[in-house]
Amino acid sequence: DAKTTQPNSMESNEEEPVHLPCNHSTISGTDYIHWYRQLPSQGPEYVIHGLTSNVNNRMASLAIAEDRKSSTLILHRATLRDAAVYYCILKGGIDNQGGKLIFGQGTELSVKP
Amino acid sequence: DTAVSQTPKYLVTQMGNDKSIKCEQNLGHDTMYWYKQDSKKFLKIMFSYNNKELIINETVPNRFSPKSPDKAHLNLHINSLELGDSAVYFCASSPYGSKRVGTQYFGPGTRLLVL
Repeated sequence: DAKTTQPNSMESNEEEPVHLPCNHSTISGTDYIHWYRQLPSQGPEYVIHGLTSNVNNRMASLAIAEDRKSSTLILHRATLRDAAVYYCILKGGIDNQGGKLIFGQGTELSVKP
Repeated sequence: DTAVSQTPKYLVTQMGNDKSIKCEQNLGHDTMYWYKQDSKKFLKIMFSYNNKELIINETVPNRFSPKSPDKAHLNLHINSLELGDSAVYFCASSPYGSKRVGTQYFGPGTRLLVL
């Protein structure tokens, strides 16, 4: 599985947008870009995923660079509840390895009131 | 309704003991996983089962033995517990072969402390 690189930590103010970057320069053509987050003392939870086009859902937006070597998770209005560790994970499109997720160190997002 | 549940939530035990952690999912998923999160918060896959069949075993010591009585349950038994086994263990499930490949649903975790 290709590797991702994320900043260790980021800070945001409440009700402001947050852009969480992820570099994945060795991504292969069939790798999907997944984002999970882990709130304090909870299990990871799925946020969003995409392949080539930008994606939106109720939690966030995912902007994928044209060359797919980087992506950005966008939280449009950060709330205190969004304080968590955010993980960017590459996952092969063919689920032939049991679907395991390989977590990196993630980005710890803190949100200030 | 809890999608992925684990019991117990906390487990404190002595070195050398044998303990089990249970996991159940009511999502109808075919695939279940065990992950370990160590004190440095690093999450790592341990096992994966698909329809009761072991498909991933990530070089975990033999003291760890997963058991899947049916596709809704995946239990983790640990023999001869060691200090280094102290961690948070997460169970997860996902639909196998789904278009949403890799989307996993995690349980709340079991915090194991070995004294």
